[in-house]
Amino acid sequence: GNSVTQMEGPVTLSEEAFLTINCTYTATGYPSLFWYVQYPGEGLQLLLKATKADDKGSNKGFEATYRKETTSFHLEKGSVQVSDSAVYFCALSDYGGSQGNLIFGKGTKLSVKP
Amino acid sequence: DSGVTQTPKHLITATGQRVTLRCSPRSGDLSVYWYQQSLDQGLQFLIHYYNGEERAKGNILERFSAQQFPDLHSELNLSSLELGDSALYFCASSVFSGISTDTQYFGPGTRLTVL
Repeated sequence: GNSVTQMEGPVTLSEEAFLTINCTYTATGYPSLFWYVQYPGEGLQLLLKATKADDKGSNKGFEATYRKETTSFHLEKGSVQVSDSAVYFCALSDYGGSQGNLIFGKGTKLSVKP
Repeated sequence: DSGVTQTPKHLITATGQRVTLRCSPRSGDLSVYWYQQSLDQGLQFLIHYYNGEERAKGNILERFSAQQFPDLHSELNLSSLELGDSALYFCASSVFSGISTDTQYFGPGTRLTVL
């Protein structure tokens, strides 16, 4: 079945460092891909999405490109801030037979130190 | 604020009990999804309703059930609760059903603790 694999955390970076969180997927069809962020004690917020191959999603300085050839959707940010500390989830939409649930990776916890 | 509301925020109960979690979707959204987040299982899809009808089931236990009402709010009923049911339960909503580009917006979650 469809699945999402993302890099294990936690990831600890200093402020202004470059961030990459790897995400790869397995899907039989043409899913949409999403990054959600969960701040401590809160629900999931959509960070960005891409709906077809070579699309780039971007928001708040974060970017991710839908790479069908490598089945990847890596999250990047050029300069992280302390306020970016959160758990990041990669997800794909599984609308083939199941009418629409998201399949999530296990999440990557990011801590940014001042 | 996503526009999706969930009540209650926290729920503490005992094994064997039954609880009801409530979700109100964003205005205009017809789909409601329920997810369970636990440390060992991560985020797991439970069930999806669209305009009052069940559309898909995921890893939902038989002790759990859900429904979506005519005003589109949804309730998730958990019965014969076990310690392992302790988790964060999220509701999400979207406009459509069955369209991969549709975005799901999540509520703040209900944290269930079973003692």
